[in-house]
Amino acid sequence: DQQVKQNSPSLSVQEGRISILNCDYTNSMFDYFLWYKKYPAEGPTFLISISSIKDKNEDGRFTVFLNKSAKHLSLHIVPSQPGDSAVYFCAASVYNFNKFYFGSGTKLNVKP
Amino acid sequence: DTAVSQTPKYLVTQMGNDKSIKCEQNLGHDTMYWYKQDSKKFLKIMFSYNNKELIINETVPNRFSPKSPDKAHLNLHINSLELGDSAVYFCASSQGPSQGGNTIYFGEGSWLTVV
Repeated sequence: DQQVKQNSPSLSVQEGRISILNCDYTNSMFDYFLWYKKYPAEGPTFLISISSIKDKNEDGRFTVFLNKSAKHLSLHIVPSQPGDSAVYFCAASVYNFNKFYFGSGTKLNVKP
Repeated sequence: DTAVSQTPKYLVTQMGNDKSIKCEQNLGHDTMYWYKQDSKKFLKIMFSYNNKELIINETVPNRFSPKSPDKAHLNLHINSLELGDSAVYFCASSQGPSQGGNTIYFGEGSWLTVV
């Protein structure tokens, strides 16, 4: 029973364009969301997070949007760079409770 | 300085063997985890310890036994390895539950192959 879903296993984008990665969740108790980036043979590394009191959080080229009513979040990367090519995982948790649920990842390929 | 380090990175072993994966974090975090990434690429939590105390134990076979000698270390011991145990195991850590808005930090993973 996957409470966090990433329905697109892969995404290909041209360098300089926007990459949009999507994530859906089913548990309305989740109030803290994170995005991780993973290169092959490495562990996931933290990218950006958002709490449910916000609907947008921005960090440089990365912006996460949260739509609580739709139980949907997305990660925007603008402009996309070849070094952004990696697998991106979204994760969700209940604030103050240390259990994180992860999606299955979306493999982003940014073409030069 | 690696924040969360785990060893070994690669492990190939025969069915029925017992093996351990070690994990250490130097972030001063109170909580440590073991996650398993299966063939479908989902990252699933197995165990979580807070200050050496088990707080999360998902439906994992009891052949898997975590051990936390102190809050900086969480080792995973697996008895009687089966083919289905082949996966990537990630150790991770975060601040304690009372900190809120936690970020979880992962090690590089241990690739276990059971033959």
